[in-house]
Amino acid sequence: DAGVTQSPTHLIKTRGQQVTLRCSPKSGHDTVSWYQQALGQGPQFIFQYYEEEERQRGNFPDRFSGHQFPNYSSELNVNALLLGDSALYLCASSPRTMGGETQYFGPGTRLLVL
Amino acid sequence: GQNIDQPTEMTATEGAIVQINCTYQTSGFNGLFWYQQHAGEAPTFLSYNVLDGLEEKGRFSSFLSRSKGYSYLLLKELQMKDSASYLCAVRDGSASGGSYIPTFGRGTSLIVHP
Repeated sequence: DAGVTQSPTHLIKTRGQQVTLRCSPKSGHDTVSWYQQALGQGPQFIFQYYEEEERQRGNFPDRFSGHQFPNYSSELNVNALLLGDSALYLCASSPRTMGGETQYFGPGTRLLVL
Repeated sequence: GQNIDQPTEMTATEGAIVQINCTYQTSGFNGLFWYQQHAGEAPTFLSYNVLDGLEEKGRFSSFLSRSKGYSYLLLKELQMKDSASYLCAVRDGSASGGSYIPTFGRGTSLIVHP
């Protein structure tokens, strides 16, 4: 049973460019959340998707957008990249219930903006 | 929102016991998580507390006091591989704005030396 997978593992972009990161959730999970983790910080919530719609959003600008596909996989898009967008981007999946279920994280995509 | 506070760094000796504290403020507590994160890797789930008391899982235990807004992670028989960042995350389920999305602290970097 594959866990959460993400691609690519590393990415280098320049300011102003656009980037797309991908995530496949753990088998049996239909909810995907995206986090940004800067060096030395805890993960910061970007948004969450289930049933192919953005359900909740953290304090991130509209440059950050996403999508969820019918197979529950998800993409994170960042437009007009800034130097400050350099971070580890984590995808986490969970089943869509409100109990004690925890999120399982993928290995992350490390983005460097030059 | 939540304010989560945990020490930035701790050091301990192999074979010893270490306690990592986490304090939080939230309007509608709905669970507290501990994650372990090795450098350059994704967070991995360690424990979940929603009721007061101690949850033991092998060498790791987690304690919660909701009235005090306080939790700790106890690591026994420390091993070198326990050197990692330990993230405390709190979920707010209040009707006034809770999102069931856990908010992460900045993490405690634990260094285990021989």
